[in-house]
Amino acid sequence: DTAVSQTPKYLVTQMGNDKSIKCEQNLGHDTMYWYKQDSKKFLKIMFSYNNKELIINETVPNRFSPKSPDKAHLNLHINSLELGDSAVYFCASSFVAGVNTGELFFGEGSRLTVL
Amino acid sequence: SQQGEEDPQALSIQEGENATMNCSYKTSINNLQWYRQNSGRGLVHLILIRSNEREKHSGRLRVTLDTSKKSSSLLITASRAADTASYFCATAGRGANNLFFGTGTRLTVIP
Repeated sequence: DTAVSQTPKYLVTQMGNDKSIKCEQNLGHDTMYWYKQDSKKFLKIMFSYNNKELIINETVPNRFSPKSPDKAHLNLHINSLELGDSAVYFCASSFVAGVNTGELFFGEGSRLTVL
Repeated sequence: SQQGEEDPQALSIQEGENATMNCSYKTSINNLQWYRQNSGRGLVHLILIRSNEREKHSGRLRVTLDTSKKSSSLLITASRAADTASYFCATAGRGANNLFFGTGTRLTVIP
């Protein structure tokens, strides 16, 4: 059983379109995250949710909107896609957040290509 | 920025040799973690060392932490071709709610 699963794995779309990436974890974790990895492999936190509540919202354009219907799911919706949004987006989860941030479990990534 | 930096950016060694990667960070931390990422895959947690620990071992991995220098090292002994991957350090700062990742070291182990 996949612990953290994200769909789709690949997404190719035109500039200006709206797209969503879904993430689900079956680990019973309270905290979920979205990270963006650029072409240089730099990983940057975008959002973090703890028990469906937003706890981190880094400097991300408001075209990106996370939605957490329950603590096992954290979806990412992107409006009006731009070329610079092309990257690999990783969903992750952890048992605890805050100062005791423990091990993160990552999904396999969703590679978004904007043409 | 709390982001760490790994050194070197890339490392190429022969199978059987040891590989050492270093990580430097900027702020006080609660713990530091190392992750591996195989090409086209997600990150996998390797080891976590707390700020009050100086050294930790897990199988062929040895991690050290020097909080006075704000640095950590990851040693992989007796490397194998399957160790070829990118390795990232990540820090959990005091009061932070997430991990900040370094820039990664690309390790290539030549059979």
